[in-house]
Amino acid sequence: DTEVTQTPKHLVMGMTNKKSLKCEQHMGHRAMYWYKQKAKKPPELMFVYSYEKLSINESVPSRFSPECPNSSLLNLHLHALQPEDSALYLCASSLERAGGTEAFFGQGTRLTVV
Amino acid sequence: AQSVTQLDSQVPVFEEAPVELRCNYSSSVSVYLFWYVQYPNQGLQLLLKYLSGSTLVKGINGFEAEFNKSQTSFHLRKPSVHISDTAEYFCAVRGADSNYQLIWGAGTKLIIKP
Repeated sequence: DTEVTQTPKHLVMGMTNKKSLKCEQHMGHRAMYWYKQKAKKPPELMFVYSYEKLSINESVPSRFSPECPNSSLLNLHLHALQPEDSALYLCASSLERAGGTEAFFGQGTRLTVV
Repeated sequence: AQSVTQLDSQVPVFEEAPVELRCNYSSSVSVYLFWYVQYPNQGLQLLLKYLSGSTLVKGINGFEAEFNKSQTSFHLRKPSVHISDTAEYFCAVRGADSNYQLIWGAGTKLIIKP
């Protein structure tokens, strides 16, 4: 199994809603990532979890709250988002943080904030 | 610190013609290099990677890339493209001293003309 699975594929939410994005991998990877990608741009790193601990937060606003319940799951909790937060949210995982290990990406969640 | 430059934002090419997508990087340390492809409305998929050793790297879908240390380049090539290769291609680099951060190029959109 070389897949990273993200749910839902599409999400429309209002600015007062609370929602969660989910990500799952069963490759035994110990590093998991959240990226945000705007149209026609490269992905921007948001958070990195290493061995289920948050190791990197790239100055992301607190309306985005990550959670890593176990080594296979990664969540991104969303609350009071703004329309400019509309984007493709990508989850990725890698064997470990360091070196030449490549990241495997999920298909993404297309988020629209109305 | 590293940076990546993809010199062309779009590359139009006729079907069955060869193509080269250019990527240059700058870094004061050794690097690992990656090419990812993103098909419309999908996540990112690894095409190939250079870690060390042979400078010619072969990847999936008939793509290959050559690492040129003196030119600090990692150009992606395919001898004969198909309509199905229409996608956004991203070059990325990770410094050997970095433990998580992928630095991304701006992307090149490959447009296949019938």
